[in-house]
Amino acid sequence: DIQMTQSPASLSASLGETVTIECLASEDIYSNLAWYQQKPGKSPQLLIYDASSLQDGVPSRFSGSESGTQYSLEINSLQSEDAATYFCQQHHDYPYTFGAGTKLELK
Amino acid sequence: EVQLVETGGGLVQPGNSLKLSCATSGFTFSTAWMNWIRQTPGKRLEWLAQIEDKSNNYFISYLESVKGRFTISRDDSKSSVYLQMNNLKEEDTAIYYCTPNYGGLNWFAYWGQGTLVTVSS
Repeated sequence: DIQMTQSPASLSASLGETVTIECLASEDIYSNLAWYQQKPGKSPQLLIYDASSLQDGVPSRFSGSESGTQYSLEINSLQSEDAATYFCQQHHDYPYTFGAGTKLELK
Repeated sequence: EVQLVETGGGLVQPGNSLKLSCATSGFTFSTAWMNWIRQTPGKRLEWLAQIEDKSNNYFISYLESVKGRFTISRDDSKSSVYLQMNNLKEEDTAIYYCTPNYGGLNWFAYWGQGTLVTVSS
């Protein structure tokens, strides 16, 4: 199975700041990576697919990038509603696997 | 509007069975591939199973650790997907979600509210 190592496990940032969350795939997943946001008590919401394609309705302050097997989610100009847990998911091969999540807190 | 409503969760003893249902609307169910994903109490997300559409002969894939215990099925006439879970273990305790995707596009844009399965004696 493809392992997705996500970091950091948690981070704290201030309104207006920029944060980056990373996922390292255990093998080449050919840009087949998605990012999700999950707020407490809610289901995950798709933010990005194919590493950098923004899902309809997602604010442009969210962006995705890649470098080899390392994938990044950048959130610019943090807003209060961005406080959530973020997950990556490889959609390259079965079984589809997720990172362990990053909990983002706003100071 | 896409809607996914999972039902059938509850408290069950280890070794017992449970069947989850997911009723859907708002999208073309017959051509969608349907998935079950669970989220453990520790918030870990785990993809469990996928059933493709009729044009792909309802091909099924499972996570290895649930193969032989879990069975995914679908009823296109009811726009519903099911997960039969047998010989349940305490580590199967989780919120179970159904999600659609379309052939080869294996990310999950729509999620239900989930149904909680608790396996405990």
